[in-house]
Amino acid sequence: AQKITQTQPGMFVQEKEAVTLDCTYDTSDQSYGLFWYKQPSSGEMIFLIYQGSYDEQNATEGRYSLNFQKARKSANLVISASQLGDSAMYFCAMRSRNAGNMLTFGGGTRLMVKP
Amino acid sequence: AAGVIQSPRHLIKEKRETATLKCYPIPRHDTVYWYQQGPGQDPQFLISFYEKMQSDKGSIPDRFSAQQFSDYHSELNMSSLELGDSALYFCASRDTGVDYGYTFGSGTRLTVV
Repeated sequence: AQKITQTQPGMFVQEKEAVTLDCTYDTSDQSYGLFWYKQPSSGEMIFLIYQGSYDEQNATEGRYSLNFQKARKSANLVISASQLGDSAMYFCAMRSRNAGNMLTFGGGTRLMVKP
Repeated sequence: AAGVIQSPRHLIKEKRETATLKCYPIPRHDTVYWYQQGPGQDPQFLISFYEKMQSDKGSIPDRFSAQQFSDYHSELNMSSLELGDSALYFCASRDTGVDYGYTFGSGTRLTVV
């Protein structure tokens, strides 16, 4: 079975500062992928960034980067230069080939950016 | 670019009624997933289809059924609705040739009263 854990139910960050959202995962599969999604109050699920288990470099997408530490089974999301529009729920998710490739989500972290 | 279309966006039903949610995946995406997200919860996998055949089943109640049609659109049918079925229902489609290629629809918000 695979499991995603997000230990921060809520976080505050000052506008323009960087913030790290934690995610740890558990899987016995060797081939898997890790995702981060943003869910604003409107409800849609917005894809942010992806890291494959065999990727040697950490993924980056604009202000988002994924700090992938395979041995520690962690995939933290780093948002640089936070903006007010970053206030939302953030979900870490995992795809595992042995688990049918559906996404398994963590419990989410609510990020609030202070002006 | 075309996205995943879900209809309706909002639905209000009474207890014991039935509801049908529709999902139109991105053209040429061969897999469809359904998720249920209760208030303040993370999305839970319900069921998936690959090339119109059911491929995996998650925590989907027996009162729910789903299918994928020849045009690849999918429907989630929910009967004997309960208050606890009130949730945001997402459909996602994926091109299995792309590891990260999951695209979510905007969701259907079902309220059971």
